[in-house]
Amino acid sequence: AQSVTQPDIHITVSEGASLELRCNYSYGATPYLFWYVQSPGQGLQLLLKYFSGDTLVQGIKGFEAEFKRSQSSFNLRKPSVHWSDAAEYFCAVGARGTYKYIFGTGTRLKVLA
Amino acid sequence: EAGVVQSPRYKIIEKKQPVAFWCNPISGHNTLYWYLQNLGQGPELLIRYENEEAVDDSQLPKDRFSAERLKGVDSTLKIQPAELGDSAVYLCASSLGRTPTDTQYFGPGTRLTVL
Repeated sequence: AQSVTQPDIHITVSEGASLELRCNYSYGATPYLFWYVQSPGQGLQLLLKYFSGDTLVQGIKGFEAEFKRSQSSFNLRKPSVHWSDAAEYFCAVGARGTYKYIFGTGTRLKVLA
Repeated sequence: EAGVVQSPRYKIIEKKQPVAFWCNPISGHNTLYWYLQNLGQGPELLIRYENEEAVDDSQLPKDRFSAERLKGVDSTLKIQPAELGDSAVYLCASSLGRTPTDTQYFGPGTRLTVL
């Protein structure tokens, strides 16, 4: 069965600094990979997804993620964080051939002005 | 285009009382999901519908939880009776198709507090 780990529960960065949120997964093959963002009182919004092909994926709001098979990772990055990026970020893994997503426990991002 | 609509947004009840949550998916979306999100956790799937059929309810605690999706559009999730441990956010999501590559769009959720 697949699983996903987000090692960082909280991350604090200054506005304008770069950001990297970590996501590690466990799965026997290449899974479907997703990053979602959840702002307070809001539902989850898809930032980007990876199914196959180019391992560097561009998403909305200036985010990107890189799939690294050798490290079983799918880390989310942004070169310059804005105060509005403060939210909770969830990595999710989907097994090929199924519809089920397994979500990580989330990383809460705080942005300092 | 309207997103996934859920109501109520907040609900406070006493234990042993019944409660119901309503979800209206994005128009044309055939697949509907109900998720449970405990504090500090990611969402966990409770039930998935394809049109009006519940195709996976293996994670739904059937002794107290029930769900329906009449006419394959709106859906209702019910808890009867509610327990203290049911306090959580209940999320509804929908997707156009039924494959994992179809993006799931989430509603804002219903935050349930059981006293």
